[in-house]
Amino acid sequence: DAGITQSPRYKITETGRQVTLMCHQTWSHSYMFWYRQDLGHGLRLIYYSAAADITDKGEVPDGYVVSRSKTENFPLTLESATRSQTSVYFCASSTSGKETQYFGPGTRLLVL
Amino acid sequence: TQLLEQSPQFLSIQEGENLTVYCNSSSVFSSLQWYRQEPGEGPVLLVTVVTGGEVKKLKRLTFQFGDARKDSSLHITAAQPGDTGLYLCEGTSYGKLTFGQGTILTVHP
Repeated sequence: DAGITQSPRYKITETGRQVTLMCHQTWSHSYMFWYRQDLGHGLRLIYYSAAADITDKGEVPDGYVVSRSKTENFPLTLESATRSQTSVYFCASSTSGKETQYFGPGTRLLVL
Repeated sequence: TQLLEQSPQFLSIQEGENLTVYCNSSSVFSSLQWYRQEPGEGPVLLVTVVTGGEVKKLKRLTFQFGDARKDSSLHITAAQPGDTGLYLCEGTSYGKLTFGQGTILTVHP
């Protein structure tokens, strides 16, 4: 089906482990974004990408790594997970950085 | 740092009541968007406003962009239980996107 998907939808991991969250979109949107959502903080931008092989930091990039080798995929990696990274992670895409963002269903991550 | 202050953070009302959610900033935004998010899902766009003073209506929802493009409001008339959810405003300024903290709305039957 067309759209934007995220996997896994739920993940439990332990402190210090590496975790990769996947995001895939079928619209060929240029821009892709990763947000984390925590109560009281709304959505905070982690990283974004304007095109393949172009990525840039958002508001809270520390502890995260991204890559964009293909337009349709934008994986987010937590190199050494910490408890403070327990959150709900949303991926989004848009045709440009100023247009409507289309969000995925989210990944709920628990770091023990 | 651009900030979007959204208020109230929580709103619990009875079916049929009216409500207003506010989104305020000291920054000028080229556009402002309102999203609605249901539990277990990602935010979904409701409306985009781009012109100062602009008013848009979506059934029982009325969105207004301030004349100076620094603030916006979402007014719901005769709220229904189906309106329950998290409402988020998002502003774009000089290419930077900023989200408000969100308003959790609960409409009781």
